[in-house]
Parts: sequence; structure tokens; C-alpha cells
Amino acid sequence: EPEVTQTPSHQVTQMGQEVILRCVPISNHLYFYWYRQILGQKVEFLVSFYNNEISEKSEIFDDQFSVERPDGSNFTLKIRSTKLEDSAMYFCASIWLAGDPSSTGELFFGEGSRLTVL
Amino acid sequence: AQRVTQPEKLLSVFKGAPVELKCNYSYSGSPELFWYVQYSRQRLQLLLRHISRESIKGFTADLNKGETSFHLKKPFAQEEDSAMYYCALTGNTDKLIFGTGTRLQVFP
Repeated sequence: EPEVTQTPSHQVTQMGQEVILRCVPISNHLYFYWYRQILGQKVEFLVSFYNNEISEKSEIFDDQFSVERPDGSNFTLKIRSTKLEDSAMYFCASIWLAGDPSSTGELFFGEGSRLTVL
Repeated sequence: AQRVTQPEKLLSVFKGAPVELKCNYSYSGSPELFWYVQYSRQRLQLLLRHISRESIKGFTADLNKGETSFHLKKPFAQEEDSAMYYCALTGNTDKLIFGTGTRLQVFP
């Protein structure tokens, strides 16, 4: 069964360093998402991506964040200059076709990348 | 504003007892409601959605628009049901808005 894969599973970085989290969505999916979950808190939407551009982003997704689909398979989240409060689990997700009732809401999640900023 | 509220952080029951995980939402339009589950050391996955009106692993959830609720129920809990449960909604966009989650512990 196809899965969303994420690398690395855990990254430790120093404050101020750049971090790139990588995701390989399911191959026939069209919408891609990044969510994050700070320890003990809820899963929060960061950004959605469709047709090679951001379709929606949250207040959390400020200028320090960027996303890219550099090739046909990878979907990356870059944090330009990490802060302590960026420490969280970052989840990538993908969905086949928005608006299709049979797939609405069924996001397929990766296992997450744990980012620890020291 | 879209909001999902799960008032219980932790729900502990014994095997065979009924379970109800509460979820209330706030949305001015017609939302789509979902329950996602995360078993220990596994990824988040869809459990059920209100539009399909199905029962998955014995769980059901009914959308009550009057009470703006989408509580998850199971008549007889099993130990393997122990997990984190997240209620979520989508409105006029495709992003999922999650509640804070409820940890269900089922004791033998």
C-alpha cells in the first residue's frame, strides 16, 4: 500500500540554522500539506500546496518558512532560521483530489519528522 | 472561524465498557467532520467521516447540527482501541482543522 514517507525522522539543530524536511507524497496525489504538532498540543495546519504553488497558509507559516516541490516526487519544508519554538513534530500529508467526496478529508499522513531546536 | 473542541484530554475505561469521545465544532457553513486516530508509534489515519455514515472497528459518529457535535461512540471498548483520537473538520477549503485530541486508555 502506498505511503507518505518523510525524512529525517528526527533532526536536532542549533537555533538560527536552516532546516529542510523532506516528504515524498503518494504518487497520484495532487494536494500536499504540512502540519506541525508541538509536544502536548494539537496538530496545526501550516500550509497546503497544489499545482506547484501555495494554495493556503496559516499565520504560523511566516517568512521563515517555505515549501517547494523541486521534482516530481519530493515536497520539502524549509525553515530558514530556526527558533526554539519551532521544535515540534512536522507531518506531511497528501490527498488525491480535493472536492471529490470519496476522498474529501482523507489525508494520508507521513510518520512525521521530529525537529529539536537547541 | 473554524474551531474543533475536544473537552477531554484523557478517557479511561475498562474493556467492554461503552465509550464516547466528545467533539464539538464551530463553523458557520456546512462542515465535513472526521475522526482521525493515531495508535502508538503509528501515523495519523482516518477512522471515519460523517458523510459515509459507516461504522469502522465498531465506532460510529453522528453529526448533530443542532448541537454542533460529532461525538465518537463504541458500545464495547477493546484494549486495541487505546490510541489518540482527533476530531477534525473541513469547511470551504481543503485544510483539516484538528481538535486537541483525546487519549483513550482501555484497561483489561
